[in-house]
Amino acid sequence: ETGVTQSPTHLIKTRGQQVTLRCSSQSGHNTVSWYQQALGQGPQFIFQYYREEENGRGNFPPRFSGLQFPNYSSELNVNALELDDSALYLCASTFGGGFSYEQYFGPGTRLTVT
Amino acid sequence: DQQVKQNSPSLSVQEGRISILNCDYTNSMFDYFLWYKKYPAEGPTFLISISSIKDKNEDGRFTVFLNKSAKHLSLHIVPSQPGDSAVYFCAASAGDYGGSQGNLIFGKGTKLSVKP
Repeated sequence: ETGVTQSPTHLIKTRGQQVTLRCSSQSGHNTVSWYQQALGQGPQFIFQYYREEENGRGNFPPRFSGLQFPNYSSELNVNALELDDSALYLCASTFGGGFSYEQYFGPGTRLTVT
Repeated sequence: DQQVKQNSPSLSVQEGRISILNCDYTNSMFDYFLWYKKYPAEGPTFLISISSIKDKNEDGRFTVFLNKSAKHLSLHIVPSQPGDSAVYFCAASAGDYGGSQGNLIFGKGTKLSVKP
């Protein structure tokens, strides 16, 4: 059973640029959530995808968008990067449909915006 | 406004003794609570959970207690080991409240140091 993987590990971007982060779910999981963890804070929910549809969203602007593919892998896209977007971005997978609350996290992508 | 609060940023315990990590919440809609452990450069690892219909759940050295009337939960680690040194996050879920099935709301974490 493979765990959740994310790429890239680290990324440096300039303010105003766009970035795409990638996530592969744990095998057997059909639901993916994305979280942003700023320094000294707990992870904050961005959005969740279930069966390729957005299934809920946290308090993040529309420039944060996502995709889920038929193989349940996922992307997080952030447009018009701001300095405050510098954070660890975590992807978590679970078997959705309301049957499980436990989410399993990847190692994260550290994004630095300069 | 923080819905899940971990008021102790850090905790230091001697090896072999009990570690008690605390968490308070404000939203009475929360129906499931989880604890995650995070080592540096790794993602959070699921540790133990509890449903709001229970007041205790035990898994080996780890026990979570839930006091719904006080909106308080705690994680007990007995006996503590140096390998338990990590940041511990308390998280809560309100099921499909807010339009997202099972999205987790995290506290800021407590850094546990277990000294040999």
